[in-house]
Amino acid sequence: DAGITQSPRHKVTETGTPVTLRCHQTENHRYMYWYRQDPGHGLRLIHYSYGVKDTDKGEVSDGYSVSRSKTEDFLLTLESATSSQTSVYFCAISESTGRAINTDTQYFGPGTRLTVL
Amino acid sequence: AQSVSQHNHHVILSEAASLELGCNYSYGGTVNLFWYVQYPGQHLQLLLKYFSGDPLVKGIKGFEAEFIKSKFSFNLRKPSVQWSDTAEYFCAVINYGGATNKLIFGTGTLLAVQP
Repeated sequence: DAGITQSPRHKVTETGTPVTLRCHQTENHRYMYWYRQDPGHGLRLIHYSYGVKDTDKGEVSDGYSVSRSKTEDFLLTLESATSSQTSVYFCAISESTGRAINTDTQYFGPGTRLTVL
Repeated sequence: AQSVSQHNHHVILSEAASLELGCNYSYGGTVNLFWYVQYPGQHLQLLLKYFSGDPLVKGIKGFEAEFIKSKFSFNLRKPSVQWSDTAEYFCAVINYGGATNKLIFGTGTLLAVQP
């Protein structure tokens, strides 16, 4: 398994509170991603990063922000959590998203289960 | 809109039965194709992938998938399932001809294998 850890693994919080989830990798991969997984929707991309301080939005980015100050860490922040953000959050990494064969495979972390009451 | 479709949402099989899970995508350009598996309570693990070459791809744990370009399909197969194959299976596609090279997932197929 790729060296990806996520913290915390479980969190319960209240509506309106800020929440930060952390993804840490030991593979020195350039690309990092945050997804949320919800029943009936599969995995949906929230934000991704293509390098230190370089980030971009995915398909469900509203209400989320990200930061990447080091290659190994990618933070996902919910500025003011809402019940609709109750989900399982997965971080993923890949070497690239170019056309290079075999480097576009994404590897996933263990996930964070977030409950917003 | 570009999409990935998994038509079987829930599949129940007995041990030793054969498995085929459907996956269709709507992109017209160059694609890379993946199947991931998620065992209960665990993260996604890569089962197999297709980038180019032989359209019949073999993955881990006896799984294989066939890329049929004319049908925009990448179906997952296993000749004889085991109870330990109970999991959720996700098809995913990267389309290099679109506006972005992001990985797009299907909604998943939940497989339950009865002993």
